[in-house]
Amino acid sequence: AQSVSQHNHHVILSEAASLELGCNYSYGGTVNLFWYVQYPGQHLQLLLKYFSGDPLVKGIKGFEAEFIKSKFSFNLRKPSVQWSDTAEYFCAVNPISNTGKLIFGQGTTLQVKP
Amino acid sequence: GAVVSQHPSWVICKSGTSVKIECRSLDFQATTMFWYRQFPKQSLMLMATSNEGSKATYEQGVEKDKFLINHASLTLSTLTVTSAHPEDSSFYICSAETGGGHQETQYFGPGTRLLVL
Repeated sequence: AQSVSQHNHHVILSEAASLELGCNYSYGGTVNLFWYVQYPGQHLQLLLKYFSGDPLVKGIKGFEAEFIKSKFSFNLRKPSVQWSDTAEYFCAVNPISNTGKLIFGQGTTLQVKP
Repeated sequence: GAVVSQHPSWVICKSGTSVKIECRSLDFQATTMFWYRQFPKQSLMLMATSNEGSKATYEQGVEKDKFLINHASLTLSTLTVTSAHPEDSSFYICSAETGGGHQETQYFGPGTRLLVL
């Protein structure tokens, strides 16, 4: 079955530390890839997305992600986190043959200490 | 752009009653909308795909007679939880899809918290 795995369930960082959140998926075909963020008490917001082309995509708020096809991975990175980045982060995959459905990872809770 | 609203944001109802939740795309049209449930500290679980002008497609294990979906226009989908029971208490989130040609993106509403007493 198709699945998305986020290895880190809970990450605690100090401000200015670098961030990398892992995301792997199991699907052999073409995929669209997404990272969403859910700030406390707010709805899911799109951070960035990958459809095709340059595998390094840049999103909002200084986030970027790299698609490595051979590793079935789409890791999220940010060079220097801020306290305001404290949130839940979800990786989501749309297998192209699945007509728009998103398969979500379990989510990673990021806590940034001031 | 790409704003999705939900109404109500929270609702408390008695067991056995029905509750309707609205999902609207405010600044774009959406042929397809999706309904999810999110349990505490867990990820989103897709319940159904709502297609404008046709029947919704339900995921395995989701009762279509219990969770009625209507997508009457390109900006509105409704989810009705019929004869709600305490186990239906949850956070219901909708999304609306934009784009095409295998480059669709979902934008999410703020969610509706349902508590069934």
